[in-house]
Amino acid sequence: GAVVSQHPSRVICKSGTSVKIECRSLDFQATTMFWYRQFPKQSLMLMATSNEGSKATYEQGVEKDKFLINHASLTLSTLTVTSAHPEDSSFYICSAPAGAATEAFFGQGTRLTVV
Amino acid sequence: AQTVTQSQPEMSVQEAETVTLSCTYDTSENNYYLFWYKQPPSRQMILVIRQEAYKQQNATENRFSVNFQKAAKSFSLKISDSQLGDTAMYFCAFMKPPPDMRFGAGTRLTVKP
Repeated sequence: GAVVSQHPSRVICKSGTSVKIECRSLDFQATTMFWYRQFPKQSLMLMATSNEGSKATYEQGVEKDKFLINHASLTLSTLTVTSAHPEDSSFYICSAPAGAATEAFFGQGTRLTVV
Repeated sequence: AQTVTQSQPEMSVQEAETVTLSCTYDTSENNYYLFWYKQPPSRQMILVIRQEAYKQQNATENRFSVNFQKAAKSFSLKISDSQLGDTAMYFCAFMKPPPDMRFGAGTRLTVKP
C-alpha cells in the first residue's frame, strides 16, 4: 500500500511554544489529508481536513487559530499547535485518502507532551 | 453527518476461537466505503478489511470476514481462529467522497491464551 510518513513521532515542548507536525505522502499525491486527535483509550476524532492549495475545513469545536493547518503541496500537510498548553497533550494522527476516497493511509502518529 | 457506532467497548476471546465485533452506521449516501482498522499498542493504524457499499458480496481477508447488511446499515467483523497477535483496538470506519472519514468509538479485543 501507499506510504504516509508523519514526523516527529514524539515531541515534548514547553507551555506557550508552538510545535509543527508534518505529514507526507511518499509515493502518491494527496490533495486531501485528515488530521485526527486521539486521547488514551478513545477513538480518532477528526480535527480538520486539509486541502492542497486552499483553506482547511475544521470540525466544530476545533480552534482554527490554535491548530494551524497548511497543505502547501500535493505531498505535504502540516499541523502547527500554537501557544501549546498541557491540555493539548495528545496523540495526533494524519491520514491521506487515495484514489476516489476508496482507502486511507495513515501516518505513524505523533505523541505530543506539553510541560 | 455520518455516524459510526460500535456498541462493544471491550471483548475477549480464547485463542483459536471465533469472535464477532459489531458496527452500525448512519448515512443517506449510496456510494461509500467501510473499513475495519486494527490499532495495536504501537498505535499504528492497520487496515484489516475493506468493503465497497456497491458490492453485495462480503469481503474476506484470510481469517477476517465481514457481514455487510446495507439495508440494516450494519458491518460486523468476524475473526476466526483468533491469535494472540489479534489483541488490539479495532475501529470501524466509514468513508465517502469527497473524502470524509469517520470512526466508531472502538472495541478493545483481548485474545486469551
